[in-house]
Amino acid sequence: DAGVIQSPRHEVTEMGQEVTLRCKPISGHDYLFWYRQTMMRGLELLIYFNNNVPIDDSGMPEDRFSAKMPNASFSTLKIQPSEPRDSAVYFCASSATLSDEQFFGPGTRLTVL
Amino acid sequence: GNSVTQMEGPVTLSEEAFLTINCTYTATGYPSLFWYVQYPGEGLQLLLKATKADDKGSNKGFEATYRKETTSFHLEKGSVQVSDSAVYFCALGRFGSSNTGKLIFGQGTTLQVKP
Repeated sequence: DAGVIQSPRHEVTEMGQEVTLRCKPISGHDYLFWYRQTMMRGLELLIYFNNNVPIDDSGMPEDRFSAKMPNASFSTLKIQPSEPRDSAVYFCASSATLSDEQFFGPGTRLTVL
Repeated sequence: GNSVTQMEGPVTLSEEAFLTINCTYTATGYPSLFWYVQYPGEGLQLLLKATKADDKGSNKGFEATYRKETTSFHLEKGSVQVSDSAVYFCALGRFGSSNTGKLIFGQGTTLQVKP
């Protein structure tokens, strides 16, 4: 298996633009997680899905953020409109069960100018 | 509530020095405990884990023992290398009577090893 795949690896955009981050989890994993990592706040869980259904989105910072999982092999995290304070590394992770090892993707480094 | 506390970094060591990174936890039930490592520019990857009290997880020369009496899971390595420079995260999961609960990560500890 190729592991968790994220795209793009780097994204530079201007304030106010829409940003879409993509993730392909490991095949057979029922759980998918989106995290954000910054120097100031560390690693934060934004949202997670079980069998394509959002279960806990309490970590989503505000309405500008939205996440979808239209099928078992694809998820998106969208920011609209983007702001400079959204600059961070965004990780996607997947796992077979809720409490077991999570496998992380390489991350998307987002810079909002 | 359930939580993980790690020692603050950065930890700076010379090559071949002994490493300890402290991790303590608060949890209901009998959680599983994990150490993840994040190398520069990469995502987190599992380093080792322990699923019950007194278990010792080990990998790549790193070890950690699940101590229920002190609610700790300290990471140790006898002789660090420059290539061990990374951020280390302690995490717990599987807590609660129903063995559910998503992983909770500590804040991470940066290790810098100098030649």
